Amino acid sequence: KAGVTQTPRYLIKTRGQQVTLSCSPISGHRSVSWYQQTPGQGLQFLFEYFSETQRNKGNFPGRFSGRQFSNSRSEMNVSTLELGDSALYLCASSLPTGTGGTGNTIYFGEGSWLTVV
Amino acid sequence: AQKITQTQPGMFVQEKEAVTLDCTYDTSDPSYGLFWYKQPSSGEMIFLIYQGSYDQQNATEGRYSLNFQKARKSANLVISASQLGDSAMYFCAIVEEAGNTPLVFGKGTRLSVIA
Repeated sequence: KAGVTQTPRYLIKTRGQQVTLSCSPISGHRSVSWYQQTPGQGLQFLFEYFSETQRNKGNFPGRFSGRQFSNSRSEMNVSTLELGDSALYLCASSLPTGTGGTGNTIYFGEGSWLTVV
Repeated sequence: AQKITQTQPGMFVQEKEAVTLDCTYDTSDPSYGLFWYKQPSSGEMIFLIYQGSYDQQNATEGRYSLNFQKARKSANLVISASQLGDSAMYFCAIVEEAGNTPLVFGKGTRLSVIA
């Protein structure tokens, strides 16, 4: 089956601009989570969406936002980009937590490499 | 709060040898899941193996096995017959199974396989 698809894979933006990243989860998966990965901070949780509702949010400023569509595809947006937003953004998809056993497996996409200059 | 500790920043292993990557965790939740992921330089986070806290047997997936010691709160990954393509970052992660909580990752271990 098709995996988690993230687009674009690579992008370069200028400080102050905004960016939108897209994630298509595995078919049948309704939970989509976003993570930011940087060399200094490691992997940090941004937010999770389930059935078009944000269920959980990490400790990031309001410039970071997201949404989920009825087909479970998700987008995240970062406004007023800063140099520190340069990172690998990873999207993960899963069945709802609590499904049990290997149903809880969480799969990631290839990530979107964002460079802010 | 949940926490993952990976004490080995880097490891070297000879091709065809077995290697163990350490992971200890801390959680107050009775029901949780433990994951190992592989991340090559391309960035993709590749799922390797999953262990539920109530699973009676250690998980295995091909050349990967998980040495789960619940009382010691450790979940070490064993890779048998290492291959050059195994060179990558390896992350251990934990999630609470009952609630809507995110994965918590360790800092990772960089594995280098030597020919």
